[in-house]
Amino acid sequence: EPEVTQTPSHQVTQMGQEVILRCVPISNHLYFYWYRQILGQKVEFLVSFYNNEISEKSEIFDDQFSVERPDGSNFTLKIRSTKLEDSAMYFCASSGDRYEQYFGPGTRLTVT
Amino acid sequence: GEDVEQSLFLSVREGDSSVINCTYTDSSSTYLYWYKQEPGAGLQLLTYIFSNMDMKQDQRLTVLLNKKDKHLSLRIADTQTGDSAIYFCAAPFSGGYNKLIFGAGTRLAVHP
Repeated sequence: EPEVTQTPSHQVTQMGQEVILRCVPISNHLYFYWYRQILGQKVEFLVSFYNNEISEKSEIFDDQFSVERPDGSNFTLKIRSTKLEDSAMYFCASSGDRYEQYFGPGTRLTVT
Repeated sequence: GEDVEQSLFLSVREGDSSVINCTYTDSSSTYLYWYKQEPGAGLQLLTYIFSNMDMKQDQRLTVLLNKKDKHLSLRIADTQTGDSAIYFCAAPFSGGYNKLIFGAGTRLAVHP
């Protein structure tokens, strides 16, 4: 069964460093998303992406964040200058029809 | 804005039925979703219901929707130890499809 994959599973970085989280969505899907879950808090929407552009973003998704689909298979989330409060589990999701979002296993980001 | 609320914990005996409840605030929600998260894993889409339905059955899972009360429930028949996980209710923001708003998750513990 096709699934969303994410790498790395765990990333440790120092405050102020740039990180890139990578996702490979399900191959025929057209809609892509990033969510995050800070420990002990709810899963929060960050951004959705369709047709090579952002279709919606939350207020969390400020200028420090960017997304890209650099080729036909990868979807990346870049955090330019990480802060301690960016520590969270980051989930990528994809959808073929917008109704069903399939999530990857997540990348745990730890900012020290 | 949309808010989704769930009770945080449910404990059931193996073989019994589990009922996990959820309330949401946005009456324009088109689809409502249940996701399952096992330890160390991502969010697995379990099932979803369209807002013009009041019930959906899928093997051991039954979803009930009371649109008037904005109440969603997930019933798991013959609960097994493998069903132990966190169950998240989710609704799209403002009747759209992109941005899912998640509840805090209900931790289901199944004991012998």
